[in-house]
Amino acid sequence: DTAVSQTPKYLVTQMGNDKSIKCEQNLGHDTMYWYKQDSKKFLKIMFSYNNKELIINETVPNRFSPKSPDKAHLNLHINSLELGDSAVYFCASSLQGGAETQYFGPGTRLLVL
Amino acid sequence: QKEVEQNSGPLSVPEGAIASLNCTYSDRVSQSFFWYRQYSGKSPELIMSIYSNGDKEDGRFTAQLNKASQYVSLLIRDSQPSDSATYLCAVNTGNQFYFGTGTSLTVIP
Repeated sequence: DTAVSQTPKYLVTQMGNDKSIKCEQNLGHDTMYWYKQDSKKFLKIMFSYNNKELIINETVPNRFSPKSPDKAHLNLHINSLELGDSAVYFCASSLQGGAETQYFGPGTRLLVL
Repeated sequence: QKEVEQNSGPLSVPEGAIASLNCTYSDRVSQSFFWYRQYSGKSPELIMSIYSNGDKEDGRFTAQLNKASQYVSLLIRDSQPSDSATYLCAVNTGNQFYFGTGTSLTVIP
């Protein structure tokens, strides 16, 4: 039983394309997150979202947009992909989004050519 | 100044030794602190969480928090080769989660 799942696991695409990464959690958590981990392994939060509030890291380009059809899903849509978007993207969830532990998905390895 | 800073390493210790990992943070209102372990090509997994000053022990792992000095550390006793990984310190300020860049640990058999 996978707690936090992501698809696809690998994504190779051309510059300029639009792509989506899907995330689902079956933990009953209220808050979900998207992180980007670059080649230097720095893990940086992009978004946190619950059914009340979307918090956007101000450094994230507006080409990135989270979409949540329901509490268990938070998908990441990326427009006009750039070379610098190549990274590993992790989805995570926590119970309420405060001090609670975050549980991570397996990651999506994105390569933009 | 980064919100969370860690020595990137690499840190090498012999099997059976104590590995000491350190982390400092800049926001004094930080409320909760976490240590995650990340194996190469895998996702971060939680090892320890700590919320109040002092030590917290869980098996071979001990987390230490000193809010006055704004640092949190992780001690791994009786280090095993399977402990070789990158260790990420994370801090929750109440509004945001911040991760350090991680310390790479290698335990030499």
